[in-house]
Amino acid sequence: DAGITQSPRYKITETGRQVTLMCHQTWSHSYMFWYRQDLGHGLRLIYYSAAADITDKGEVPDGYVVSRSKTENFPLTLESATRSQTSVYFCASSEEGVSSYEQYFGPGTRLTVT
Amino acid sequence: AQSVAQPEDQVNVAEGNPLTVKCTYSVSGNPYLFWYVQYPNRGLQFLLKYITGDNLVKGSYGFEAEFNKSQTSFHLKKPSALVSDSALYFCAVRDIEGAGSYQLTFGKGTKLSVIP
Repeated sequence: DAGITQSPRYKITETGRQVTLMCHQTWSHSYMFWYRQDLGHGLRLIYYSAAADITDKGEVPDGYVVSRSKTENFPLTLESATRSQTSVYFCASSEEGVSSYEQYFGPGTRLTVT
Repeated sequence: AQSVAQPEDQVNVAEGNPLTVKCTYSVSGNPYLFWYVQYPNRGLQFLLKYITGDNLVKGSYGFEAEFNKSQTSFHLKKPSALVSDSALYFCAVRDIEGAGSYQLTFGKGTKLSVIP
């Protein structure tokens, strides 16, 4: 199906473990984004990518790593998970153009770090 | 730096009444403005945007928003609320002339409850 998907939808992990959240989009959008959603904070940008092999930090990048070897995939890795990284993570994509600019969001991954 | 304020954490409105969800923004240049809606356990869905042109923007599900440059506001409105409109609403802004101009900054969200 066309669109943007995330996996897993739910994940429980222990402090110190490495976790990778997957994001896949079928629109061939150039831009992809990772956000975390926490009560009282809205959505905060973790990392973004303007194209394959081009990534940059957002507002809250510490403790996270991203890569983008293919246009359609943008995995987010927590190298050593901490309880403060318990959150809902959203991936989004967008294209730049006269009639575009809006971001389209995946369904989210709820991550719990124990 | 760009920022968004949604001054109301929660808005309650009776079904059939008009609704307004408020949003004010701050950017150094010209803004692109967006509204998104989030239903429980779902991702954000795009509702509407202001890029340029007419200050009154119409979007999905009967929603509209008015861009007011002098008041730096972009309030979301609907003439007649439905119970199914109950959700979390987010306003977002891009400063199209600033560094990192493709980044969206979101407000903290407003929970809309439509009472039958």
